[in-house]
Amino acid sequence: KQEVTQIPAALSVPEGENLVLNCSFTDSAIYNLQWFRQDPGKGLTSLLLIQSSQREQTSGRLNASLDKSSGRSTLYIAASQPGDSATYLCAVHGGGGSNYKLTFGKGTLLTVNP
Amino acid sequence: NAGVTQTPKFQVLKTGQSMTLQCAQDMNHEYMSWYRQDPGMGLRLIHYSVGAGITDQGEVPNGYNVSRSTTEDFPLRLLSAAPSQTSVYFCASSLRQEGREQYFGPGTRLTVT
Repeated sequence: KQEVTQIPAALSVPEGENLVLNCSFTDSAIYNLQWFRQDPGKGLTSLLLIQSSQREQTSGRLNASLDKSSGRSTLYIAASQPGDSATYLCAVHGGGGSNYKLTFGKGTLLTVNP
Repeated sequence: NAGVTQTPKFQVLKTGQSMTLQCAQDMNHEYMSWYRQDPGMGLRLIHYSVGAGITDQGEVPNGYNVSRSTTEDFPLRLLSAAPSQTSVYFCASSLRQEGREQYFGPGTRLTVT
C-alpha cells in the first residue's frame, strides 16, 4: 500500500523567506507526483506535476524536485508572500498496486506573515 | 472550458436521506474519480471510472454508488446518508493514460445530521 507523508504539518515564516516543504512516499513505482495548493474551504489547485522520469519542475517562484529511488520530493518556494498562505498537498500517482489512484499526504499548512 | 464542475456546493441531509452529487467535465477526459476529504485523514478515493460504462471501487466505497453513462458526467449517489458521510467531496478527471495530470472540481461540502 502506498503511503505519503508530509513534513512539517505546519510552518509559519516571515514574508520574503525561502522555504522547503517535504514529501515522502513508500513505493517508488509511481507514474508521477503532483503538488497542489488548497485555500481554506476551496478546491485543489494543481501547482506542479513531475513525471517519474523527471528530476524537477519549475513554475515561477516554485520549484519541485523528485528523487524517485529514495521516495522523496521537495517543494521550494522562493521569496514567500502572504498570498502563499495555504495548505500544500503532495500526491503520488501509482505505486502500492494501484494504477489510477492518487495517494495524498495530509498536507503542510503554510502561513506567511507580513 | 469550464473544467471540472460540481453541484451542489453545500448540502445538508438528514440521516437516511438519499441524494446525488453531480460532477461534469468538458475536457473529454476518460478517467474520472471521487474523493472525500476529512480532517486528519487526507483525501481518500471512493470510486473511479476509466470510461463510459466502466466503474470500480476505491478505498472507501461503502455507502456510495456510481455510474458512468457518458464521458462528461460521473454522479455519486448516497443511498442512505449517515453522519459518517459528513465530508467534503471532490471530483477529479484526467486523460486515461497513466501519469496524466489530474484536475479537481471545487468540491461539495456535505453535512449529515
